[in-house]
Amino acid sequence: NAGVTQTPKFRVLKTGQSMTLLCAQDMNHEYMYWYRQDPGMGLRLIHYSVGEGTTAKGEVPDGYNVSRLKKQNFLLGLESAAPSQTSVYFCASRLSGPTDTQYFGPGTRLTVL
Amino acid sequence: SQQGEEDPQALSIQEGENATMNCSYKTSINNLQWYRQNSGRGLVHLILIRSNEREKHSGRLRVTLDTSKKSSSLLITASRAADTASYFCATGRSGYALNFGKGTSLLVTP
Repeated sequence: NAGVTQTPKFRVLKTGQSMTLLCAQDMNHEYMYWYRQDPGMGLRLIHYSVGEGTTAKGEVPDGYNVSRLKKQNFLLGLESAAPSQTSVYFCASRLSGPTDTQYFGPGTRLTVL
Repeated sequence: SQQGEEDPQALSIQEGENATMNCSYKTSINNLQWYRQNSGRGLVHLILIRSNEREKHSGRLRVTLDTSKKSSSLLITASRAADTASYFCATGRSGYALNFGKGTSLLVTP
C-alpha cells in the first residue's frame, strides 16, 4: 500500500514549456486534490475532483488544467509555464466524507526559469 | 482564501517543554483539523475535532476548540526534537477540500 505518490519529485522548466504532474493513490479514494505551497503562504487549492471523470476549480486555478480519467489518478497540467508557478505542488486524497483524513503525497518541487 | 491563521508564526522551545500554538478562523465550521509537515515532506494528519467538541486528546497532543471565539489551540506536551516541524490548522471548504493557515514553525532543541 503506497498511499499517495507523485511523479516527478523535482522538475525545472523554462518559461513557456509545458508539463504534467501525476498523482496516484491506491486507497480507492473518491476525492483528490492539488495544492501548491509557497513560502509564507500555506497551502492553496488549485483544482479538485470528487470522483472519476469530475473536476472543479479551487482557489488558484488559472494556468493549470486537470484530468481524472481513472479513479486512482489525478493529473495536473501546465500548458505554458510561468515563473509565478514556481512552487511545491502537493496532491492529496480522501475517502469520502468531511471527517475522513486527507492523505498527502510527498510533493513535487517545480522551478520555472 | 485562507480560513485559518496560526499564531505564533515561529516557536522555539527546549526538549521537555510544552508547545502551544493557536489557530483562528473566520466562518462557521463542521470540524477543524491539525496537520504536521516535516521539512521537505508532505503533510501528515494529526487530529480532527468536531464543532460540537471542546477538547480532544491523542497521545501527547491536546486540541481545544472554542467556536464562540472561532479559535483552536494545539498543545504538544513534553516536546521532543522529533516534534520539530511546521503545524497547520485546516478547515473544510467545497468538495471537502481544506483551507490551510500559514502554519507555525516549531523548533525543539535538545
